[in-house]
Amino acid sequence: DSGVTQTPKHLITATGQRVTLRCSPRSGDLSVYWYQQSLDQGLQFLIQYYNGEERAKGNILERFSAQQFPDLHSELNLSSLELGDSALYFCASSVVGGSSYNEQFFGPGTRLTVL
Amino acid sequence: GQNIDQPTEMTATEGAIVQINCTYQTSGFNGLFWYQQHAGEAPTFLSYNVLDGLEEKGRFSSFLSRSKGYSYLLLKELQMKDSASYLCAVKSNNNDMRFGAGTRLTVKP
Repeated sequence: DSGVTQTPKHLITATGQRVTLRCSPRSGDLSVYWYQQSLDQGLQFLIQYYNGEERAKGNILERFSAQQFPDLHSELNLSSLELGDSALYFCASSVVGGSSYNEQFFGPGTRLTVL
Repeated sequence: GQNIDQPTEMTATEGAIVQINCTYQTSGFNGLFWYQQHAGEAPTFLSYNVLDGLEEKGRFSSFLSRSKGYSYLLLKELQMKDSASYLCAVKSNNNDMRFGAGTRLTVKP
């Protein structure tokens, strides 16, 4: 158990819908990262937040957005869902966000299925 | 941009040694990470290299050559539980973290 929690564990929805994935980082970690992992694309970095502010951006679509709240939990919002958005979404956290050494601890993931 | 290449699959025998290679191209380098991921589970951190050389951690070692854009993960005394995907990830100067597609290792008795 990494100490990172994600809810829900599974989510099934229809195309065109909007969903919110939630992540609580390990106690004391200020940085939160979101990743998408699909069978054909591997693990794709989406976005990072550090202490409430966006720190780095990866391959995140405009239909997706995220935020980190004052209590450091984070939410990933996915809208206008398409079949291709079906994937495992991981959240990871680390103590700091700007230093070189940046061990990330991954949550168990949310499996999203878009029908 | 970043390109990270690693073999798709490898097979090795229990008790043996296996080396998983990773080559990368990045605009600004800020560290290389290796993660292990069992099917359907979250990745778990194995090692981190930012300077050239070998980092040893029990049965696992990781090597980095920044000038060659090359790293390898060395697994010794292979056990059946080492069957998993091994992900190479590179962090750039803007904190962007990119993962390779992963190498699926199968350990056979």
